[in-house]
Amino acid sequence: NAGVTQTPKFQVLKTGQSMTLQCAQDMNHEYMSWYRQDPGMGLRLIHYSVGAGITDQGEVPNGYNVSRSTTEDFPLRLLSAAPSQTSVYFCATWKGQASGANVLTFGAGSRLTVL
Amino acid sequence: GESVGLHLPTLSVQEGDNSIINCAYSNSASDYFIWYKQESGKGPQFIIDIRSNMDKRQGQRVTVLLNKTVKHLSLQIAATQPGDSAVYFCAEKRGGGSYIPTFGRGTSLIVHP
Repeated sequence: NAGVTQTPKFQVLKTGQSMTLQCAQDMNHEYMSWYRQDPGMGLRLIHYSVGAGITDQGEVPNGYNVSRSTTEDFPLRLLSAAPSQTSVYFCATWKGQASGANVLTFGAGSRLTVL
Repeated sequence: GESVGLHLPTLSVQEGDNSIINCAYSNSASDYFIWYKQESGKGPQFIIDIRSNMDKRQGQRVTVLLNKTVKHLSLQIAATQPGDSAVYFCAEKRGGGSYIPTFGRGTSLIVHP
C-alpha cells in the first residue's frame, strides 16, 4: 500500500519555466490538497479538492493551477516559475467528514528550486 | 483573523525529560484537533488527536490536553528520546462544513542526549 506518492522528489527550474508536480494516492480518499513549506512559515495551503472535478483555492494559490480528473491524482502546475516558488511541496489526502476520517496522510515532499 | 499558532518555535530538552509543546487556537467553534510530527526530510505524520468534548487524551508516551476556556492545546511527551526530535504541528478542524486543515508554524523539538 503506497499511500501518497509525490514525484519528482527534487527539481531545479529556471525562472519562467513550467512544470507539474504529481501526486497520486491509492487510499480512495475524497479530499486532496497541496501545501508549501518554507522556513519558519509552517504549512500553507495552496489548493485543495473535495472530490473529482472539484477544486478550490487555499491561502497562497497565485502562480499555481490544479485539476482533479480522477480520485487518485491531483497534479500541481507551475505555469511560469518564479524564485519565490522555491519551497518544499507536500501533497496530503484525507477521507472526509466521518468520525476518525480527518487525519491527513502526507506524501514525502517535493523540493523545488527556482533559479 | 482566525489562526492556529504555536507559542515557541524551538524547544530544547535533555533525553529523558518530559516535553511540553503548546498551541493556541482562536476559533471557539473548532471541534477537533490533531498533532503531527515531521521528521527531517519527511512529510508530517499523525501522532494523536482529540475532540472538543474531551479535555485529555493519552497515547503511547504522548498526552494531549485541551483547554477550551483559554483556547489552548498542548502535547506532552514523556521520557523524551532523541528520536522525538522533529517539528511538531497542531491542526484544528473548524466545526461544520468541509474540513480543510490549516496549520500553525510548528515547534522544533531538539532532544540532547
